[in-house]
Amino acid sequence: EIVLTQSPGTLSLSPGERATLSCRASQSVISSYLAWYQQKPGQTPRVLIYSASSRATGIPDRFSGSGSGTDFTLTISRLEPEDFAVYYCQHFGSSRTFGQGTKVDIK
Amino acid sequence: EVQLVESGGGLVKPGGSLRLSCAASGFTLSAYTLNWVRQAPGKGLEWISSSSSPSFDIYYADSVKGRFTISRDDTLNSAFLQMNSLRAEDTAVYYCARGEVWFDLWGQGTLVTVSS
Repeated sequence: EIVLTQSPGTLSLSPGERATLSCRASQSVISSYLAWYQQKPGQTPRVLIYSASSRATGIPDRFSGSGSGTDFTLTISRLEPEDFAVYYCQHFGSSRTFGQGTKVDIK
Repeated sequence: EVQLVESGGGLVKPGGSLRLSCAASGFTLSAYTLNWVRQAPGKGLEWISSSSSPSFDIYYADSVKGRFTISRDDTLNSAFLQMNSLRAEDTAVYYCARGEVWFDLWGQGTLVTVSS
């Protein structure tokens, strides 16, 4: 079973700064099977990125995904106040594994 | 409106059972893979079960295998999660979510609390 490890656990940044979140898989995965989600406090998760780099419908272009093999990255080019949240990566396989999450909070 | 709505959560004693429902509206659930994902208080997301479409292949996480059963009723446009032999560590908000590879539609969640 593939394990996804996200880093850092918490990222403290100011609005307008760039956020770079990492998701590392325990073995090589197919990029088409890697997604990123955002969850704000008290809200349901929503998909941001699928197939490692494709933005979901309605997601602003300040969000981008990249990577291949075992290393994947979610980048938020300029943090807006509404972007402070927890972000999860997820892999499709025999189980639909989630990473443990990265919290982006206000510095 | 396209949405998923969960129901059936509540307080149950350890060893007890509960059946969660996930009602779809605005689309035909049988055309999609349906997943259950849970989130323990203050913790991350944990996928627990999927029922794929069109073959309705079924998968479970090891943490619930043998205790939980996923099912569907096309006539009701709904899916269900039968949870037996519940443990304290099953306490969580349970979400149903649509999608085979990634989950593009989520319900609002239903809280299950396992406590004596």
